Amino acid sequence: GIQVEQSPPDLILQEGANSTLRCNFSDSVNNLQWFHQNPWGQLINLFYIPSGTKQNGRLSATTVATERYSLLYISSSQTTDSGVYFCAVGGDSSYKLIFGSGTRLLVRP
Amino acid sequence: GAVVSQHPSRVICKSGTSVKIECRSLDFQATTMFWYRQFPKKSLMLMATSNEGSKATYEQGVEKDKFLINHASLTLSTLTVTSAHPEDSSFYICSARVASFEQYFGPGTRLTVT
Repeated sequence: GIQVEQSPPDLILQEGANSTLRCNFSDSVNNLQWFHQNPWGQLINLFYIPSGTKQNGRLSATTVATERYSLLYISSSQTTDSGVYFCAVGGDSSYKLIFGSGTRLLVRP
Repeated sequence: GAVVSQHPSRVICKSGTSVKIECRSLDFQATTMFWYRQFPKKSLMLMATSNEGSKATYEQGVEKDKFLINHASLTLSTLTVTSAHPEDSSFYICSARVASFEQYFGPGTRLTVT
């Protein structure tokens, strides 16, 4: 099956800093989603981005499907951005998502 | 749009009893729902895929007789943990697929078996 690797595993930022999170995957995909898991466990959809570039406020994402990676950019980070960011991919008609191990982000005031 | 609810959010049960968790898509019909399990500080692991009107498809290593899944309608899937034991304690999360490949997730159910 598809392997998903996220880096870095942990990231500590000062409020206001920018960051880039990476997701590598081992095969072609028809689904790629980025999520933020808040401290209560809720997964919040950030982007559905199997290819191309999208932006939503301070967040943007780019997926280069031919090179099998996706990047999540967080600009001007805030303490509320803290939490775990997951990349999840799907590669077949089953619609299943395979999750990466996540990046744990802590933004300090 | 695309809101998924779960009930209960937290449950404590005694070893040997069964617990049912409900997953509902509130503002859309979900042909496919998924059940995941997450251990502390770990990633989500897919347990099973639930299709309305048909039997669930379980991932390798998941006991289908222990984790009973029923997808009775296009807006409701249930997961029943039968004869629960302390090792079944975990955070269970459901998701529902909209018309495309995109999935939306419920808020999760924290199960503690004493």
